[in-house]
Amino acid sequence: LAKTTQPISMDSYEGQEVNITCSHNNIATNDYITWYQQFPSQGPRFIIQGYKTKVTNEVASLFIPADRKSSTLSLPRVSLSDTAVYYCLVGRMDTGRRALTFGSGTRLQVQP
Amino acid sequence: DVKVTQSSRYLVKRTGEKVFLECVQDMDHENMFWYRQDPGLGLRLIYFSYDVKMKEKGDIPEGYSVSREKKERFSLILESASTNQTSMYLCASSTIPGLAGGEQYFGPGTRLTVT
Repeated sequence: LAKTTQPISMDSYEGQEVNITCSHNNIATNDYITWYQQFPSQGPRFIIQGYKTKVTNEVASLFIPADRKSSTLSLPRVSLSDTAVYYCLVGRMDTGRRALTFGSGTRLQVQP
Repeated sequence: DVKVTQSSRYLVKRTGEKVFLECVQDMDHENMFWYRQDPGLGLRLIYFSYDVKMKEKGDIPEGYSVSREKKERFSLILESASTNQTSMYLCASSTIPGLAGGEQYFGPGTRLTVT
């Protein structure tokens, strides 16, 4: 299984860009990388998913280098409501390799 | 909107009891998952199911079993609850093709306390 490592916590201020990196040194060739956001007393919520290079949606960007041994979630101009725990997930579910590994999460605290 | 519901938000059971945690999704998703979440350990996959009556073990299946008799319902069973199973239990569902589990939709969680 691809083990993932993330920083335990990060602090930022409103309006800043935040980059959270996840290490997954033994990622398999066909594994995808997915990021989730979790608020207290709620289940995680999907943010973004990618395989290589860069993926962007309306809330975040995901950067994946060529060796795919890490990935970086980028949140532009964070606000107080972005205070949450962010999880990196590596794996895939197709036949023959049903494996999913969540990281232990990064607690992001956004200050005014 | 996809909705994943779990039968209880909070549950208190005694050691040795048989415990059923129920999960229902309303979007006709093929994949369903059970995770437990503990401080400092993140989310760990217990079991998942990719079709009715089909199931596969995740990372920590010991002490748990599952049942999926209908597509929309996935049950987690603790045959004989123990105090080390005190945790937050999260259910999720996703569609096929389930790359990295696809976009998983999570329920609100059940906080189980075993005394």
